[in-house]
Amino acid sequence: AQSVTQLDSQVPVFEEAPVELRCNYSSSVSVYLFWYVQYPNQGLQLLLKYLSGSTLVKGINGFEAEFNKSQTSFHLRKPSVHISDTAEYFCAVTGGGADGLTFGKGTHLIIQP
Amino acid sequence: DAGITQSPRHKVTETGTPVTLRCHQTENHRYMYWYRQDPGHGLRLIHYSYGVKDTDKGEVSDGYSVSRSKTEDFLLTLESATSSQTSVYFCAISESLGTSSSYEQYFGPGTRLTVT
Repeated sequence: AQSVTQLDSQVPVFEEAPVELRCNYSSSVSVYLFWYVQYPNQGLQLLLKYLSGSTLVKGINGFEAEFNKSQTSFHLRKPSVHISDTAEYFCAVTGGGADGLTFGKGTHLIIQP
Repeated sequence: DAGITQSPRHKVTETGTPVTLRCHQTENHRYMYWYRQDPGHGLRLIHYSYGVKDTDKGEVSDGYSVSRSKTEDFLLTLESATSSQTSVYFCAISESLGTSSSYEQYFGPGTRLTVT
């Protein structure tokens, strides 16, 4: 079984500043990791994923994340945020079976002008 | 959005009544999932399906049942709705394991269910 911890429920940041959203996971098997974004009153959209290979993965909208196996982390970063990045961000993990993703509780990114 | 629709999009029902939510996909993906989203809990898996008539329980399956008689449809039924089942329900789909898009899930727009 896997679990995901998103350490911050809310992250306020000023527009054009950098941001990091933290995600740690636990698993007894190899994992595949994802970040999803949810804009208000919408479904979830995939930002990026790590399946294998390079530990630095780039996604849509200028986001990137780094897989760190020794620290069991998959933190999401963006060098300069915009008002349009205001949303809920979810980290998720799977061990590769058919039984779906395990999600963190989400981090609300609040962009301040 | 991937070809996933959910119906109804909004529903208000009374405690004790049966409710069925429908998820329909046009992608011919093998795997389908039902999640519920509640503040402070993220998304939690209710049930999933790995093929027609093949389903299994997730983390929060009590009070819910599912059926999948066709590849494209996955139904979630609350046999007797309770106020604790007030939530936003999301359907998701995934391709077969072992493909380049393995494990990635595509989500529907959600159904907001209120049980009064």
